[in-house]
Amino acid sequence: GIQVEQSPPDLILQEGANSTLRCNFSDSVNNLQWFHQNPWGQLINLFYIPSGTKQNGRLSATTVATERYSLLYISSSQTTDSGVYFCAEAYNTDKLIFGTGTRLQVFP
Amino acid sequence: EAGVAQSPRYKIIEKRQSVAFWCNPISGHATLYWYQQILGQGPKLLIQFQNNGVVDDSQLPKDRFSAERLKGVDSTLKIQPAKLEDSAVYLCASSRGRLREQYFGPGTRLTVT
Repeated sequence: GIQVEQSPPDLILQEGANSTLRCNFSDSVNNLQWFHQNPWGQLINLFYIPSGTKQNGRLSATTVATERYSLLYISSSQTTDSGVYFCAEAYNTDKLIFGTGTRLQVFP
Repeated sequence: EAGVAQSPRYKIIEKRQSVAFWCNPISGHATLYWYQQILGQGPKLLIQFQNNGVVDDSQLPKDRFSAERLKGVDSTLKIQPAKLEDSAVYLCASSRGRLREQYFGPGTRLTVT
């Protein structure tokens, strides 16, 4: 079936470190989104990135649609970056299929 | 621009009781979604509206869940009767149209005891 695989499942960093999160997709990518779910449960939009590269401050994302994967880069991590990061893809429908998430903990 | 609004934020009920959640999407967004997020998992779509019509309700447990968006703006999701396995966060999202970026509300955390 249609799947979204995320890695790593858990990540523990010290403040200031950099990290890379990855999503692999089982079908063509055309509506990919990255989210950060904060400790209060709010899903915050990070990037809408069906292809190419985007940057927003310390975060950037790259999607290689032909190879069905996307990467989220976090540089100079801060404690406020802690939470769960999800990627999601709708696969030509409107139903976002979410990955299982990467749980990030950043310690001072 | 105001985000997606949801209420209540938290609800605790006993099994077999009923509960309703409310969502007001971002102004001008024609498409509205209800997702269910069980602890430790990603959200899963329950129902999608385009204006006041249902586009996809294939994963809505229709024997106990119902949803409406009568005037094509705000929406309510109801569970009657609730089961223990309905304990989850219910997220509302909206988008300008189909196959567009989706924006999520803060969610309603439901605990069924």
